[in-house]
Amino acid sequence: SAVISQKPSRDICQRGTSLTIQCQVDSQVTMMFWYRQQPGQSLTLIATANQGSEATYESGFVIDKFPISRPNLTFSTLTVSNMSPEDSSIYLCSVQRAYNNEQFFGPGTRLTVL
Amino acid sequence: GQNIDQPTEMTATEGAIVQINCTYQTSGFNGLFWYQQHAGEAPTFLSYNVLDGLEEKGRFSSFLSRSKGYSYLLLKELQMKDSASYLCAVTVSNSGYALNFGKGTSLLVTP
Repeated sequence: SAVISQKPSRDICQRGTSLTIQCQVDSQVTMMFWYRQQPGQSLTLIATANQGSEATYESGFVIDKFPISRPNLTFSTLTVSNMSPEDSSIYLCSVQRAYNNEQFFGPGTRLTVL
Repeated sequence: GQNIDQPTEMTATEGAIVQINCTYQTSGFNGLFWYQQHAGEAPTFLSYNVLDGLEEKGRFSSFLSRSKGYSYLLLKELQMKDSASYLCAVTVSNSGYALNFGKGTSLLVTP
């Protein structure tokens, strides 16, 4: 398995502000993804974080709202921009190694927007 | 897009066996995952199936039929700690290995 850390683990933010979430892995991985889990719901893919190029976003998610960086094979950030209460959710990163298909999730960032 | 269906809730007794079904409709199927998620925690990987058949891992087994778009997760010798949400997810070839999740099945194990 991979050891994945996310910062912050939780935050309470004001409407209109932005928050950047960091995801750090203990070893190089090929794929990194960002998901959102709204209260009582399952996980929804936001985007695939591509190393050295722009992220690939799923329908309903745009770069201006959720800019993503992936400067190397062990680190990625997700920014939630111009937040509203509807953005209150748990945000999770996941990683996949090159040699198998197991995907592992970070502990998540619990975001509350007031 | 993908249509992934699984029961919303199930209840089973400690020591029993429970089967959680998942059906999917998708093009470019590239594999099916099962995850366990306890309340307030991140999902943890349980199993991965890409070929038809049964994969067994201790008390947990997962089955896949690609022709039927069907999978199940079998939990044996249920323990109270197995009370959790069980998430079925598929990957498709045109999205790399990104996971598309069903809504999850909330399993309650009773004494």
